[in-house]
Amino acid sequence: EPEVTQTPSHQVTQMGQEVILRCVPISNHLYFYWYRQILGQKVEFLVSFYNNEISEKSEIFDDQFSVERPDGSNFTLKIRSTKLEDSAMYFCASIRDRGEEKLFFGSGTQLSVL
Amino acid sequence: QKEVEQDPGPLSVPEGAIVSLNCTYSNSAFQYFMWYRQYSRKGPELLMYTYSSGNKEDGRFTAQVDKSSKYISLFIRDSQPSDSATYLCANIKAAGNKLTFGGGTRVLVKP
Repeated sequence: EPEVTQTPSHQVTQMGQEVILRCVPISNHLYFYWYRQILGQKVEFLVSFYNNEISEKSEIFDDQFSVERPDGSNFTLKIRSTKLEDSAMYFCASIRDRGEEKLFFGSGTQLSVL
Repeated sequence: QKEVEQDPGPLSVPEGAIVSLNCTYSNSAFQYFMWYRQYSRKGPELLMYTYSSGNKEDGRFTAQVDKSSKYISLFIRDSQPSDSATYLCANIKAAGNKLTFGGGTRVLVKP
């Protein structure tokens, strides 16, 4: 079965540093998402992206966050100045078409901000 | 009131038993109801989805939705140790929209 690939699996950074989390969605998928899960808490929606622009974003997704599809295959999440509370597992997900039900998740990037 | 709620567990059952999981939601706008399975250090994996009240069966899994009481259930028959995972209830208002997850119920199936 096709899968969403995320790199790195674990990222450690210092508070205030910029990080870029990378994702390769499934090749024929058109809608892309980032979710995060703080340890012991719910999976939370961050942002959705379609046709090279943000479709929807949550309150969490403030000016410190940005997303980009720099080429035909990668989808990135950038955090400009990381805070301790940004430490979480970040999941990328994609879906082929808006009418599809099955959202494919990657295995996640564990971000640790020290 | 939280939009989607689940008992965190853990729910421990012997192998072969039926696992019964429940979820409640508060937002009447939710139209699609899903169950995801999440193994440790992995992303959520869709098990079942439905968009109407009633039962839906897929192999050993049965999902039940009661929109009138905003109550969702998942039953796993003939449970296996490999079913040990966290089960997440998730709802959306329309296909392709953002998922709203419950906190998950951790299930342990003992051999």
